[in-house]
Amino acid sequence: GQQVMQIPQYQHVQEGEDFTTYCNSSTTLSNIQWYKQRPGGHPVFLIQLVKSGEVKKQKRLTFQFGEAKKNSSLHITATQTTDVGTYFCAGPGSARQLTFGSGTQLTVLP
Amino acid sequence: DGGITQSPKYLFRKEGQNVTLSCEQNLNHDAMYWYRQDPGQGLRLIYYSQIVNDFQKGDIAEGYSVSREKKESFPLTVTSAQKNPTAFYLCASGDSPGYTFGSGTRLTVV
Repeated sequence: GQQVMQIPQYQHVQEGEDFTTYCNSSTTLSNIQWYKQRPGGHPVFLIQLVKSGEVKKQKRLTFQFGEAKKNSSLHITATQTTDVGTYFCAGPGSARQLTFGSGTQLTVLP
Repeated sequence: DGGITQSPKYLFRKEGQNVTLSCEQNLNHDAMYWYRQDPGQGLRLIYYSQIVNDFQKGDIAEGYSVSREKKESFPLTVTSAQKNPTAFYLCASGDSPGYTFGSGTRLTVV
């Protein structure tokens, strides 16, 4: 079945440093979604990318979808303590059910 | 406000007991999903339903059962056959794009 791998598993950064998490799928994806889960909370939908090579920005967050539609990345510029949490990518299966990556847990040190 | 309500927030189960986790949504979504999250790990799909009176097994359905008698409700029963049920259970709904998650139920076996 479809597998979605995400690296790194953990990332500690100093406040103000940049952060990137990478997502790779074993199959070509029709779209890829990104979610953020704060400590003790539930995942919250951030964005969906659909087109090959697509780049979308949300303030300090930049999302990319690879040309082959098998990989994606999330880059945060100048991290803040509010960015703390676990970031998940997810790709749809045959019935639109999502397969989630294992997540990257971001810690921001003040 | 539209959203997903999961109850209870915390649940303790004795060995050999069946327990049922509630999930209710007022978003008028056709599709609903149950995921399991273990500490430091990603989300694994248990069951999903794309329409009333129909549901499909996900990747880890053994030891779980569901029903979808109403569009708004998708309860999950954790049976005694589930050998390691201690986890964080998340219900979600969504047609596209993006899922909306409930706040989750933390189940502990005592």
